[in-house]
Formats: sequence, structure tokens, C-alpha cells
Amino acid sequence: QITLKESGPTLVKPTQTLTLTCTFSGFSLSTSGVGVGWIRQPPGKALEWLALIYWDDDKRYSPSLKSRLTITKDTSKNQVVLTMTNMDPVDTATYYCAHSDSTVGAFDIWGQGTMVTVSS
Amino acid sequence: AIRITQSPSSLSASTGDRVTITCRASQGISSYLAWYQQKPGKAPKLLIYAASTLQSGVPSRFSGSGSGTDFTLTISCLQSEDFATYYCQQYYSYRGTFGQGTKVEIK
Repeated sequence: QITLKESGPTLVKPTQTLTLTCTFSGFSLSTSGVGVGWIRQPPGKALEWLALIYWDDDKRYSPSLKSRLTITKDTSKNQVVLTMTNMDPVDTATYYCAHSDSTVGAFDIWGQGTMVTVSS
Repeated sequence: AIRITQSPSSLSASTGDRVTITCRASQGISSYLAWYQQKPGKAPKLLIYAASTLQSGVPSRFSGSGSGTDFTLTISCLQSEDFATYYCQQYYSYRGTFGQGTKVEIK
């Protein structure tokens, strides 16, 4: 059974750097074709694709946020970390991590999400 | 970047109705399109991938069609548990993109 869970601060100040961790089980990020992505959703708004990392360390970023995002993986710990610099109140959102593999292609299993508020 | 236009943004329907939601991609994406259902306070749930492949465990009243730039999600006989927001997502390009969402409300 695949599960993912996001963790990190619930409140960050403007200009600070956000670090979120996705801890997963039921699969290995060293298996060919597997990826873990990050998606966010501001309150009452649509989903926004942020970043994705694959088993081979291929990394992909949203063009509009590329300069602020870094995604990394720690295969031994079954974790994926997303950092976002220079946080702004408009970055207030629920942040989700999700599993993907080459069989499905889309995000087939999602974490429960973690709400992050950006406020001074 | 590939843009996805989803319509309508909301619709009202009754239990038993047939409901159709569409997504249009700004360029051809073959069949690399997924549909998700999201209920308030919950994470999205994958319904359909590869434009028309039903994810395991999803009721057969959900179906998807299309390829290239135009795609459709159909709910053949709306049930009470189907009132939710639906999103499409393209995963053809190097980076994915979601549609703006369609909220299906009770008439």
C-alpha cells in the first residue's frame, strides 16, 4: 500500500524559505519509472503543479516558479524535499505531494496535504 | 508552456443526470490527460488517466474520451457522492498543467 505524508511549518514569514518534506512508504524512489511530485492549492482556488523528481534524479519545475524551487530526494529515508525561497502571502496554500509512475503517468496516490500560511 | 482550458467552471445538476466536462489543450498532448475528483478538505483522487483509462476502483459511470487537444469527462448517471470539483491535468509536456476546475453542484 502506497502512502505519502507531507510535513513542514504551518506558518512562515514573508521572504523566508519554506522547506517541506514528503515521507512515503510502499514504493522505492530508486525503481525505474517512479516519481514524486508537489502540487499546491491556494484556499478556494485551483491546483497548481510545482515540481517533480524521478527515480533517476531527473527534476522538473514549474516555469513560473523555477527560480524559487528546489526538489531533492533521499532514497534511503524514503523522502522528497521541496524548498521554496522568498515566500510571499500569495504562496499561502495547501501543499500536496503525490506518487507517479510510468504505468499511469499521472499522480495516482496523493498525500493528505499540509496547509502553509505566509504572514508576518 | 501548455495551457489547459477547462469548462464549465461550475454546473448544477440533479442525481441521475448525465454530466459532461471538457478540457482543451493549447497544443496537442496525444492522450496524456488525467481527470481528478476533489471533495472539500480532501486531496484529489485520480479517476482517469491516458484520457480514457479508468483508474482501479473508480465506478464505471465515469468515462473519458478525446485525444490531441480536446477531451471530455462524462458522468453517465450522477450520484450524490459525485458532487465535487473535477480537474483535468496534462502530463505530456516536460511539466504538468492543471485545468481551472469544474464544481459540480446540486440543482
